[in-house]
Amino acid sequence: QTVVTQEPSLTVSPGGTVTLTCASSSGAVTSGHFPNWFQQKPGQAPRALIYSTDNKHSWTPARFSGSLLGGKAALTLSGVQPEDEADYYCLLYYGSGQGVFGGGTKLTVL
Amino acid sequence: QVQLQESGPGLVKPSQTLSLTCTVSGGSLTSGDFYWSWIRQPAGKGLEWIGRISTRGRTNYSPSPSLKSRVSISVDTSRNQFSLKLSSVTAADTAVYYCATLGANDFWGQGTLVTVSS
Repeated sequence: QTVVTQEPSLTVSPGGTVTLTCASSSGAVTSGHFPNWFQQKPGQAPRALIYSTDNKHSWTPARFSGSLLGGKAALTLSGVQPEDEADYYCLLYYGSGQGVFGGGTKLTVL
Repeated sequence: QVQLQESGPGLVKPSQTLSLTCTVSGGSLTSGDFYWSWIRQPAGKGLEWIGRISTRGRTNYSPSPSLKSRVSISVDTSRNQFSLKLSSVTAADTAVYYCATLGANDFWGQGTLVTVSS
């Protein structure tokens, strides 16, 4: 069974830059995995930030960007704001369309 | 704007079948190139992708051993709804269940808590 791995936790200072990554146990992550990134705040449903590697939704703040980096999917936050403190999840698709979420990254802004 | 709303029993007994429905409003279940998905989240834990069905009725299910062969997703176009059935449930299936579309068109329901307990 494929496992998708994210950093369990990261800490960043306000105004700083942080990169969250998403790795696949089956090998390098490519655009063919259609990486999605989601943000979830306590008590709320997740909300998508990025789809298909680097595409933003209309509501995605400009400081969020998606990419492929060193065989992983990556979500970079530039100019972090206090309201960015949340859990972040990546989602990859395999084969004919089976999805697997990563375990999530708890981002602390401190 | 598409809106999704989950509904179904909040309490299911062990070994029974969990059945949830997602009602779609503000858009047709059969229009566009959507995938209608189910995701769950146990309390304090991460998201788990359960499966999806396309507007053309094609299904994909999670390969996870915890779900494999127990999941069925279907659509009722006359009611603009899609449904999840999870058989032989145990306490490990206790979670908040979300219906959603994912990808370029991303909409989520608010989620519904399903508890498996006798």
